[in-house]
Amino acid sequence: AQKVTQAQTEISVVEKEDVTLDCVYETRDTTYYLFWYKQPPSGELVFLIRRNSFDEQNEISGRYSWNFQKSTSSFNFTITASQVVDSAVYFCALSEESTGTASKLTFGTGTRLQVTL
Amino acid sequence: NAGVMQNPRHLVRRRGQEARLRCSPMKGHSHVYWYRQLPEEGLKFMVYLQKENIIDESGMPKERFSAEFPKEGPSILRIQQVVRGDSAAYFCASSPGKIGQPQHFGDGTRLSIL
Repeated sequence: AQKVTQAQTEISVVEKEDVTLDCVYETRDTTYYLFWYKQPPSGELVFLIRRNSFDEQNEISGRYSWNFQKSTSSFNFTITASQVVDSAVYFCALSEESTGTASKLTFGTGTRLQVTL
Repeated sequence: NAGVMQNPRHLVRRRGQEARLRCSPMKGHSHVYWYRQLPEEGLKFMVYLQKENIIDESGMPKERFSAEFPKEGPSILRIQQVVRGDSAAYFCASSPGKIGQPQHFGDGTRLSIL
């Protein structure tokens, strides 16, 4: 069965610090997809990134970067030079191809990031 | 804005009443998913629908909950005889339907049961 673990419940950093949010997943599938979503205090869910299981290349988008390592079943998210606007709950999610359906998502419990001045 | 539209944004019901939550998918998307987020928890999958069909309802409670996505109009998540434990945020997402495509979420409906 698929499972996503975000062990960090809450992280507090001071602005301009770098911060890494951990995500560990479990799946029996060889083909799967990993996602990160952001939920700011206003409550909506914002899609950040998708990765498929065959693409281990790390990705950078501005201050955001993602490190996907199949060997450790991890898909970690780093924010460089954090800003107050980064304060949100961040969710990691997984979908498996074998479900035969177009990607129902299994979410982790989320990491609440608080960035202060 | 051609994003996923959910209404109402907030819904208050008394125990025993019915709650109806609506979701219009993003333009061009024919696949709709409903998730529930209990306070301080992650999102849990409830049901996946295509037009006029329920594809996967493995996350739906067996009683009182139902969902539909008619040929015309929005998808509806219906909760009958609501109880306090139904208080949660209900999110709808849509996708084009291809495996691995990201789901795009609406702003959610916050359901409060008095």
